[in-house]
This record gives sequence, C-alpha cells and structure tokens, in this order.
Amino acid sequence: GAGVSQSPSNKVTEKGKDVELRCDPISGHTALYWYRQSLGQGLEFLIYFQGNSAPDKSGLPSDRFSAERTGGSVSTLTIQRTQQEDSAVYLCASSHFNAETQYFGPGTRLLVL
Amino acid sequence: SQQGEEDPQALSIQEGENATMNCSYKTSINNLQWYRQNSGRGLVHLILIRSNEREKHSGRLRVTLDTSKKSSSLLITASRAADTASYFCATDLTGGGNKLTFGTGTQLKVEL
Repeated sequence: GAGVSQSPSNKVTEKGKDVELRCDPISGHTALYWYRQSLGQGLEFLIYFQGNSAPDKSGLPSDRFSAERTGGSVSTLTIQRTQQEDSAVYLCASSHFNAETQYFGPGTRLLVL
Repeated sequence: SQQGEEDPQALSIQEGENATMNCSYKTSINNLQWYRQNSGRGLVHLILIRSNEREKHSGRLRVTLDTSKKSSSLLITASRAADTASYFCATDLTGGGNKLTFGTGTQLKVEL
C-alpha cells in the first residue's frame, strides 16, 4: 500500500511569512509524529498525535509552531512568521497505536530566506 | 536535545568490507532502532532491538545492545555501494510515549 506522503517536497519562503506543511499517514495508522532535521540540531521530535489529539507537544520550539490533525488522518504543521532558523527538513511518521516501528515520509525541505 | 551520540561521524570503506557503527545513549529505553537515510530525505527503518534483547540479526545487519553500558552497535556485513547512506540510532525512552530520540548519525560511504 501507499506509504506516508508529505507535501510540498520543497518550500522556499520569505522571512515573516506563514507556511503550512502537510502529512498523509499510512491508512489505518492512528499515531502520527512530526520531526525536524536541521544542521545545527540534528533530528528532533516536535509533536505526537494519537487520533486527533496531541498528548505530547513538548518538542514544538515556539508558539509560532502549531499542528492539527483532522479525521484521524491528515495532519498540517503550521509555522507562523517564519524565521531563518526554521529552515530544515520536516519529517512526518506514522504507526499503528502503540506500535514500535514508525514509517517516515520523504520530508518537506523548508528554506526561509 | 540529542539522546545519543554515534561514532564514527563518517566512515569510508571498500565494497565487500564490513561496516560497524556505534551508538551511545543516556537514559533508560524500551527499545533502540536503527534507521537509514539517503540524500537527507526520508528515513527507512532497518531493525529494532528491545531492552531485554542483546543481539539481533536481519539479513546482512547485526545489532547488539548493552544496556549496562547504554550502547548499541550496528554491523553491516559484506557492504555494497548501495549501502552508502546516513545511519541513525533512535531510542524509544521509557515513559517517552513512543516518540523517538535520535542520535547524531554516521555517514557511511561504500566505494567500489
């Protein structure tokens, strides 16, 4: 079946603009995760959804970052008033409830000029 | 924050040789996983070892886990050019709710 998909693949934006990143998890996966990979910080956890609820938002770096998930499926990560330090690859992963293995999408490469 | 440190940071070997990467972590874990990443994009799950396991095999991969030393190693035997990638260990921390904490990664280059 289809894997995790993310869109857009690449996004270039100007500092101060808002961006939305989309993740389509594997069908039937109730858990969804967002991670960020940047040069200075490596791979870091942002937020975790179980269904439409986000029991762990501890990795969101500031209140400019938010995420939602609707219908237990698609998730959107929104970054408001982007800054240059937001430039990174944003990775989404999904899994079955409490499953140990996460399946990653190809990521969205964000460049803030 | 990074849970794990991996070494070496970079490794270059000839095709057919074995590649060994090491990962150290800091706190109690449920399991440790290894992922591969090509060209800085999506991560591919390779193998998982639980905290009560010491060694696991999958094809040309062998993983060991030493919880007393809080360390793991990934051995790729008979490497191929197609194994060229970055390899990351990731820990599922006890009480962490399944989120993964990644190591710093090892860049492996396998030359023909």
